Amino acid sequence: GAGVSQSPSNKVTEKGKDVELRCDPISGHTALYWYRQSLGQGLEFLIYFQGNSAPDKSGLPSDRFSAERTGGSVSTLTIQRTQQEDSAVYLCASSSGLAGGPGELFFGEGSRLTVL
Amino acid sequence: AQSVTQLGSHVSVSEGALVLLRCNYSSSVPPYLFWYVQYPNQGLQLLLKYTSAATLVKGINGFEAEFKKSETSFHLTKPSAHMSDAAEYFCAVIANNDYKLSFGAGTTVTVRA
Repeated sequence: GAGVSQSPSNKVTEKGKDVELRCDPISGHTALYWYRQSLGQGLEFLIYFQGNSAPDKSGLPSDRFSAERTGGSVSTLTIQRTQQEDSAVYLCASSSGLAGGPGELFFGEGSRLTVL
Repeated sequence: AQSVTQLGSHVSVSEGALVLLRCNYSSSVPPYLFWYVQYPNQGLQLLLKYTSAATLVKGINGFEAEFKKSETSFHLTKPSAHMSDAAEYFCAVIANNDYKLSFGAGTTVTVRA
């Protein structure tokens, strides 16, 4: 597709369950980001992938969170043993890192996670 | 680390009135600065960006922002608000040699008829 695609758009789960959120970036974009947007707060950086380099995981809030990017394209964010405080919108973004200079991120519409 | 501060979490304007959203950054050197807009139930969309080419930056939908180094500010303006401008606006910053975009807390704009 032409834009960043995320699935599912909405996910309701029970506390303690694992969830997987998927991101399909814009074709050709080498950089991929995950951000978390909680109610009343700004965007919190979670993780960054760039090509084949080791990802920057410095924003992951706990070891229950992990992410991978297969083949330099699709990424999956996994949250294990979900807690209520994990409820948020998880936004994925990609960037070419070339056109327009650093930081021009293109965002998906997000995956809204609700943990009951 | 780079950071931005958005003054005012909510702004309410009348249709046709000036929209002014304030953003200040903390950086010892001029960074790259951005404004993003998020319409309800949508992802973020780039409004405009400053990359040192010009201090007055024009973006989409009639918005513009001026980079003022002396004030470490990058305020967003639109001369005449439209109902469709109701959204949340985020200021963001990235250092020249970095890749991590840091966002402000956001400002929600409501437009009164």
